[in-house]
Amino acid sequence: DSGVTQTPKHLITATGQRVTLRCSPRSGDLSVYWYQQSLDQGLQFLIQYYNGEERAKGNILERFSAQQFPDLHSELNLSSLELGDSALYFCASSGGSLGTSTDTQYFGPGTRLTVL
Amino acid sequence: AQSVSQHNHHVILSEAASLELGCNYSYGGTVNLFWYVQYPGQHLQLLLKYFSGDPLVKGIKGFEAEFIKSKFSFNLRKPSVQWSDTAEYFCAVNSPNNAGNMLTFGGGTRLMVKP
Repeated sequence: DSGVTQTPKHLITATGQRVTLRCSPRSGDLSVYWYQQSLDQGLQFLIQYYNGEERAKGNILERFSAQQFPDLHSELNLSSLELGDSALYFCASSGGSLGTSTDTQYFGPGTRLTVL
Repeated sequence: AQSVSQHNHHVILSEAASLELGCNYSYGGTVNLFWYVQYPGQHLQLLLKYFSGDPLVKGIKGFEAEFIKSKFSFNLRKPSVQWSDTAEYFCAVNSPNNAGNMLTFGGGTRLMVKP
């Protein structure tokens, strides 16, 4: 158990819908990261938040958005869902004072999203 | 932009065999290197990491990796695998030159160890 929790574990929805994935970081970790793992794209970084502020952005679609709340939990919102959005979405967290590259990331169990 | 290649997609070994998984990265600047493992049904776990210093790093569960800067490689090794090492292994890289801490992952190598 990494200490990072994600809900729900599984999500099945239809094209065009909107879903919210939730992540609670390890106690005390200030950074939260979102990754997408799909068969064709592999594991891809989406976005990082550090203490409520966006710190780094990857190839995140405009239909996707994220935020980190004052209690440090994070939500990833996916809208206008397409079949190709079906994937495993991982959240990770790290401690450290700056959310920099030497911080070890601890991964959650993931949310499996299926878009029908 | 960074990229990571793992050339072996699937590896099958018998118990006690030696393991070497290849990882090559593409980036001209300073890098930090990582190996993560994902056991069946579990989350990604860090095996080992390299930031600087001794290019031979030792991780958990008897794994080690060697950073060869001239070859842009960070291969993972284990002298004698066990059935419990069956998992998917991911090499990853980030750079202190970039804002934040985004990891770029390779495509992963699925290792099956036969008892």
